[in-house]
Amino acid sequence: GDSVTQMEGPVTLSEEACLTINCTYTATGYPSLFWYVQYPGEGLQLLLKATKADDKGSNKGFEATYRKETTSFHLEKGSVQVSDSAVYFCALLMDSNYQLIWGAGTKLIIKP
Amino acid sequence: DTEVTQTPKHLVMGMTNKKSLKCEQHMGHRAMYWYKQKAKKPPELMFVYSYEKLSINESVPSRFSPECPNSSLLNLHLHALQPEDSALYLCASSPLGHTLNTEAFFGQGTRLTVV
Repeated sequence: GDSVTQMEGPVTLSEEACLTINCTYTATGYPSLFWYVQYPGEGLQLLLKATKADDKGSNKGFEATYRKETTSFHLEKGSVQVSDSAVYFCALLMDSNYQLIWGAGTKLIIKP
Repeated sequence: DTEVTQTPKHLVMGMTNKKSLKCEQHMGHRAMYWYKQKAKKPPELMFVYSYEKLSINESVPSRFSPECPNSSLLNLHLHALQPEDSALYLCASSPLGHTLNTEAFFGQGTRLTVV
């Protein structure tokens, strides 16, 4: 079945460091891909998305490129801030239904 | 208005209580969802409503009873819950249509504690 695999956390970085959170997927068709972020004590917010191969989603300095050849959607940011500390979820959505398939989540901790 | 509003934000209930969680959106979305999220885990889908009809029930125990009174509202009625049902309950909505590749909008959740 369809699935999403994320790198395990927590990921701990210093402020202004570069960030990469790996996400790979398995899908029988052509999914849309999403990154959601969950700040402590809050619900989920969409961070960025890509709907087809080679699309790049970007928001708040974060980027991710839909790589069909490597079935990946890695999240990147050039310079992280303490306020980026949160749990990040990679997810996919098949166009045959509307159920999100979630990765396990990666906790990101940014130290001043 | 791109918000999904959930009430209450926090709820503590006993195992013999009956309570309801409420969710509201005014984005014209015709798909609405209930998710359950335990600490440090991704959300687990519970129910999906499309066009106000229950389309998916992910084998959820009958002590959870969803209701969709109209296209903007979604309720989750709770009765005789167990302590292991304590979790963050998230409501979400998304458009339905020719293109299903659109994101779901989530509410802030209700933090439920069963004592």
